[in-house]
Amino acid sequence: DSGVTQTPKHLITATGQRVTLRCSPRSGDLSVYWYQQSLDQGLQFLIQYYNGEERAKGNILERFSAQQFPDLHSELNLSSLELGDSALYFCASSGAGLAGNTDTQYFGPGTRLTVL
Amino acid sequence: GQNIDQPTEMTATEGAIVQINCTYQTSGFNGLFWYQQHAGEAPTFLSYNVLDGLEEKGRFSSFLSRSKGYSYLLLKELQMKDSASYLCAVRDITGGSYIPTFGRGTSLIVHP
Repeated sequence: DSGVTQTPKHLITATGQRVTLRCSPRSGDLSVYWYQQSLDQGLQFLIQYYNGEERAKGNILERFSAQQFPDLHSELNLSSLELGDSALYFCASSGAGLAGNTDTQYFGPGTRLTVL
Repeated sequence: GQNIDQPTEMTATEGAIVQINCTYQTSGFNGLFWYQQHAGEAPTFLSYNVLDGLEEKGRFSSFLSRSKGYSYLLLKELQMKDSASYLCAVRDITGGSYIPTFGRGTSLIVHP
């Protein structure tokens, strides 16, 4: 158990809908990262938040957005869902994730999203 | 960005030793991670190398050569539960990003 929690574990929805995925980092971690993993793409970095502020952006679509709240939990919002958005979505956390810091990312159990 | 290459699949026998290679190309190398991922589960941290040499941790060891852009993960005394995907991830600080980029992973199948 990494100490990172994610809900829900599974999510099934229809095209065009909007969903929210939730992540709570390990106690004391300030950085949260979101990743998408599909069979043909591997683990793709979406976005990072540090202490409530966006820190880095990866291959995140404009239909997707995220935020980190004062209690450090984070939410990933996916809207106008398409069939191709079906994937495993992982959240990871680390101590700082800042320049010069070499801390390790610890991953949550993931949310499996199925878009029908 | 990084160009990370690792074999797609490997097979080995229970009790044996297997070496999973990872090669990469970066301009601002700042560390290499290995993760284990069972199907449908979260990646689990195995090791971190930033200096050349071998890091040993129980049955698992990881080696790094920065000049060659090369790392390997060595698994000894293989067990059936070691059947999983092994992800190599490289951190490149070029451009100021400290986010590691993950390879596609090596699927290891351990058979009796």
